[in-house]
Formats: sequence, C-alpha cells, structure tokens
Amino acid sequence: GENVEQHPSTLSVQEGDSAVIKCTYSDSASNYFPWYKQELGKRPQLIIDIRSNVGEKKDQRIAVTLNKTAKHFSLHITETQPEDSAVYFCAAPRGTGKLIFGQGTTLQVKP
Amino acid sequence: DAGVIQSPRHEVTEMGQEVTLRCKPISGHNSLFWYRQTMMRGLELLIYFNNNVPIDDSGMPEDRFSAKMPNASFSTLKIQPSEPRDSAVYFCASSLSGGDTDTQYFGPGTRLTVL
Repeated sequence: GENVEQHPSTLSVQEGDSAVIKCTYSDSASNYFPWYKQELGKRPQLIIDIRSNVGEKKDQRIAVTLNKTAKHFSLHITETQPEDSAVYFCAAPRGTGKLIFGQGTTLQVKP
Repeated sequence: DAGVIQSPRHEVTEMGQEVTLRCKPISGHNSLFWYRQTMMRGLELLIYFNNNVPIDDSGMPEDRFSAKMPNASFSTLKIQPSEPRDSAVYFCASSLSGGDTDTQYFGPGTRLTVL
C-alpha cells in the first residue's frame, strides 16, 4: 500500500522568504497529490493539488511540483507572510477514494 | 453551501461512557470519511463510506468503535466504552464520488476528551 513521508516536520522562515516542503510516496501508480493547510484549531483545507499528468502547478504564491520518476512532490510558498503560518499536510491516494496523509509540517513565518 | 457539518464541536466525557459523533456531508457528495487526529499519530483514516455503504473500515482501532451511515445525509461514529486514549479530534470529510482524484472537504471536527 501507499506510504507517504513528509519533511521537514518543522520549518521556520522570515517573512518574505520562500518555504519548501517535500513529500515522497511509494506507489508508482498514485496519480493525485493534494496539499492541505490546517490553521490552529481549524479543519484541514485544500490549498492546491496536482495530478500525475503535469509536472508543476501554480496558484499565486503557492506551487506544487511533481517528480514521478523519483516519486516525490513538493510544495513551494514564495513571499511568505505571517498568515501562512500553519501545519501543512501532503497526501497521496491509497486504493480507491482513500488518502494517506503525511505527518505534517509546522510552518512558522516570523514577521 | 453549508459545507460538512459535525456535532458536537466539543465533547468531554468520563471513561466508560458511550460517545456518539455526528456528521452531515455536503449535499450531493457520495463518499464520507471519518478521520482521527492526534499529535502522536497524525491524521488517520478510520472508515469510509461510498453511497452509504462501508467500503473500508481497516482503520477502525478496535471493536469499541463503530460507524453507520443510514442515509446519504447523515453518519455517526460511536465509541462504547470510551477510554482516555480515545481523546483526539475527530474529523468527518466528504467527496463527490470517492474517486481517486476527488477533493475531500473536511468538517470543523469534534474535539473529544475522555477523562
């Protein structure tokens, strides 16, 4: 079955800097990779996702890249702002309809 | 769009008591998921339903946990008897059809504390 590893577990950056979070997966058949953001005390919310037929997807300051050969995908946040501070989870499918989540990365953006 | 609705938002109970968590998925969504989130274990899938039928309950920790979905707009997760180690945030999520690339939308969660 699918296994997802996420790194780093914590990340601290200065406001305006970039942040990168990386996930690796094990099942080469996986074809969908969402990223969720969870603010303190709130629900996880989808911020961006990528399907296996593309290598990169951007949405304003966030982007996701996918390397199918190496079986890893990364979240890139540019020009970070304090409101980007949250826990970020990557995920990959395991079987039909199921998602396996990474352990999460706590991002702190210092003003 | 009201989103996924969960109740109660907070539950404090004593060990041995029965706990029932409730979820209303987004209207028109055919798949429903129950997750448990703890610091130690992260976000774990407990069970998921497609068209009201349980598809995979391999994540249910033990017989004390049970889940039902009597109709397309309502699901329950029951813990009987509850134990302190069940303390966690329980999320319900729904997706359109349960396909591999469907987005899952999470409810606000129920924070359960078992004393």
